[in-house]
Amino acid sequence: DGGITQSPKYLFRKEGQNVTLSCEQNLNHDAMYWYRQDPGQGLRLIYYSQIVNDFQKGDIAEGYSVSREKKESFPLTVTSAQKNPTAFYLCASSPFGGQINSNQPQHFGDGTRLSIL
Amino acid sequence: GQQLNQSPQSMFIQEGEDVSMNCTSSSIFNTWLWYKQDPGEGPVLLIALYKAGELTSNGRLTAQFGITRKDSFLNISASIPSDVGIYFCAGRNYGQNFVFGPGTRLSVLP
Repeated sequence: DGGITQSPKYLFRKEGQNVTLSCEQNLNHDAMYWYRQDPGQGLRLIYYSQIVNDFQKGDIAEGYSVSREKKESFPLTVTSAQKNPTAFYLCASSPFGGQINSNQPQHFGDGTRLSIL
Repeated sequence: GQQLNQSPQSMFIQEGEDVSMNCTSSSIFNTWLWYKQDPGEGPVLLIALYKAGELTSNGRLTAQFGITRKDSFLNISASIPSDVGIYFCAGRNYGQNFVFGPGTRLSVLP
């Protein structure tokens, strides 16, 4: 089945540690996105990528990093610089990378819940 | 970044009742989306709207793109227990990323 796979489902981070969240899609979508979800708030955009080897900061990029070496994969690293990393992280993708001409909806994975030890 | 307002924040209804919720923005949008999220899972797309005044149905769900382009509405008819969850709206204008509302949490009482 086509879809977006996020792993792991649950992740724990120690102080000062970097952790990487995986996101893989087999939908052949050009664009991929990372969002952070906190209780009672809308999704906030961390980073997005419209094409391989290119990505842009979203609204809350500080303390996070990404790479887009393959079309199918868009891993997110939560660095030690992110002082409040506890949240539910959602990865999404959409068919076309062009923001101007595409209103294609985003499709989401099932999320990774990150907690601090 | 910009966020949307959703109303109500939460609602408790009896099984079989109809549900109405809305989403408002201070900016105009050219696309509105409605998603449903179950606990511990990612949002699932319910309805996409692309034109002011557009009315679109998906089973018992009906959504409308407000004529002002600053709001959208979602109605659920004859609610059932599996309708429980958080309903999110999302909107965008040309050249912009989607912005998401904080969600409406729906609980259905048997």
